[in-house]
Amino acid sequence: DVKVTQSSRYLVKRTGEKVFLECVQDMDHENMFWYRQDPGLGLRLIYFSYDVKMKEKGDIPEGYSVSREKKERFSLILESASTNQTSMYLCATKSRGVYEQYFGPGTRLTVT
Amino acid sequence: AQKITQTQPGMFVQEKEAVTLDCTYDTSDQSYGLFWYKQPSSGEMIFLIYQGSYDEQNATEGRYSLNFQKARKSANLVISASQLGDSAMYFCAMRVQGNTGFQKLVFGTGTRLLVSP
Repeated sequence: DVKVTQSSRYLVKRTGEKVFLECVQDMDHENMFWYRQDPGLGLRLIYFSYDVKMKEKGDIPEGYSVSREKKERFSLILESASTNQTSMYLCATKSRGVYEQYFGPGTRLTVT
Repeated sequence: AQKITQTQPGMFVQEKEAVTLDCTYDTSDQSYGLFWYKQPSSGEMIFLIYQGSYDEQNATEGRYSLNFQKARKSANLVISASQLGDSAMYFCAMRVQGNTGFQKLVFGTGTRLLVSP
């Protein structure tokens, strides 16, 4: 079974703090994704990575950056957290050549 | 525009009955795919079923089937014999080609299903 883990289930940070969300997968998948989920908006793609050190912007990259130094780990960085970044953040992975993405349990981030 | 529309914010069904969750899509791509994911209250998204745009037969996975009507651009999920454990949020998603040439998923806003005893 694919296992995708995220560093925290719940996180509370203050406005202006630098925030790191970590995602680790154990299936050697090439592709990794970060989404945010908001009520009434569904899931929206922030960034994705198709290989180590490679990244592509998704639909809503503003205010975020990412890092992928190792194949199994994909980090989402909020350089200066703001209240409008309060959301549920979901990481997903996918193997090249198949279509379905496998998701982690999510991190509910609150920025106060 | 690449878009998924789920018009039912909430659905109720009694245990053991069948239920249909609606999904319509908009894309100009010739090759695309439709997914359904389930999200229980625990938060994790669980892959249920996939249908490719060139697949002629409707996809089925156990109690889940995807009613794919290409001309109508709809990809409804049918759950037969509902169980209490089916109570969750359900998302329809579409695989599309992004601007950079990579494929990505576009999600709908979800339908909350509640199964009552």
